[in-house]
Amino acid sequence: KQEVTQIPAALSVPEGENLVLNCSFTDSAIYNLQWFRQDPGKGLTSLLLIQSSQREQTSGRLNASLDKSSGRSTLYIAASQPGDSATYLCAVRLGKAAGNKLTFGGGTRVLVKP
Amino acid sequence: IAGITQAPTSQILAAGRRMTLRCTQDMRHNAMYWYRQDLGLGLRLIHYSNTAGTTGKGEVPDGYSVSRANTDDFPLTLASAVPSQTSVYFCASSEEAGGRTDTQYFGPGTRLTVL
Repeated sequence: KQEVTQIPAALSVPEGENLVLNCSFTDSAIYNLQWFRQDPGKGLTSLLLIQSSQREQTSGRLNASLDKSSGRSTLYIAASQPGDSATYLCAVRLGKAAGNKLTFGGGTRVLVKP
Repeated sequence: IAGITQAPTSQILAAGRRMTLRCTQDMRHNAMYWYRQDLGLGLRLIHYSNTAGTTGKGEVPDGYSVSRANTDDFPLTLASAVPSQTSVYFCASSEEAGGRTDTQYFGPGTRLTVL
């Protein structure tokens, strides 16, 4: 059974510092991996999707890397801003044969202090 | 604005009552999903539908049923609510079911409390 872990559960940094968020998964046979952002009381917003054949994906200040062999993904947020404060979740999808589901990590709650 | 709408936003329900959570998307996505989010357990898939007319069970389907009569709507029904179904429920959709670049888009959620 695929398990997804995000450590730490919470993180606090001063504004301007780079953020590094970790995600690990137990089954390396993934189809793709997504990073989401969730604001308090809101739904999830997709940030980046990395295909299993890719090693990284970039969007603005966000960069996500994927190392399937070690079962890890890292989300980097450069020059953090107070508006980056949110919970960040990673989710992996196994292949079609394993069923059509995303397995989510527990999330990392980020606070960027002005 | 294109996206997913869910209703109601929140609901308090007596145990044993029947409840239907509504979800509508206007993106013409083929696949739709229902998740529940609980503190300490993260998001878990309840049911999914790869295309109109088909449904499948996710990780925690017991006590829930779904239907997919058309592309846009994917209601989730609790036939007889129990307190353990207190949770925040999210509906999501994706263009296709399981493609490698298949991003899921989420609705704003329904906060359900069963007393």
